[in-house]
Amino acid sequence: EVQVVDSGGGLVQPGGSLRLSCAASGFTFSSYAMGWVRQAPGKGLECISVISASGGSSFYADSVKGRFTISRDNSKNTVHLQMISLTAEDTAVYYCAKIRGIFDYFHYWGQGALVTVSS
Amino acid sequence: EIVLTQSPATLSLSPGERATLSCRASQSVSSFLGWYQQKPGQAPRLLIYDAYNRATGVPARFSGSGSGTDFTLTISSLEPEDFAVYYCQQRSKWPLTFGPGTRVDIK
Repeated sequence: EVQVVDSGGGLVQPGGSLRLSCAASGFTFSSYAMGWVRQAPGKGLECISVISASGGSSFYADSVKGRFTISRDNSKNTVHLQMISLTAEDTAVYYCAKIRGIFDYFHYWGQGALVTVSS
Repeated sequence: EIVLTQSPATLSLSPGERATLSCRASQSVSSFLGWYQQKPGQAPRLLIYDAYNRATGVPARFSGSGSGTDFTLTISSLEPEDFAVYYCQQRSKWPLTFGPGTRVDIK
């Protein structure tokens, strides 16, 4: 059974940093791209970053480019999202998800990690 | 960026009725469009990919159609568990984008 578990959310002050993690199991992790989608409170979905199966390619939404970094460790079946220079506009539930290819649909989702940016 | 527009914003229907949801893209996405269902407090669930393919475990009452810029998600007969928010998403170009959603609620 495919499982994706997000962790690392919490309360952070404006300008602060946070690192989200995602642990995956139930599939050959190194064969699939992974991505992060966020959802601000009461709002819609925004794809913010994806990383290829090998980790050699990554893409970012303009809203987070230069501030967020996606990475993966195929030996540990984990994906990370390092976030810096956070603002109130980054407050959202962050979902990690499995995708087939780097430009694809999000087939399996984690439960979400809430990030709140507030003083 | 490809902008997706969904209509209507809210659809009020009764169980057993047919639901027709629309998604329009600002430029052609070929058949690279998917649909998701999201219930309160839950992660989205992929229903349809590449316009008309049902994802694993999705009931046959869900069907997708369309190509180019105009797409439709049809729920043939609404079950109580189908009342939720539905999003479309394109995978034709980066950034991957979602529509604003259509809420299907109980009339």
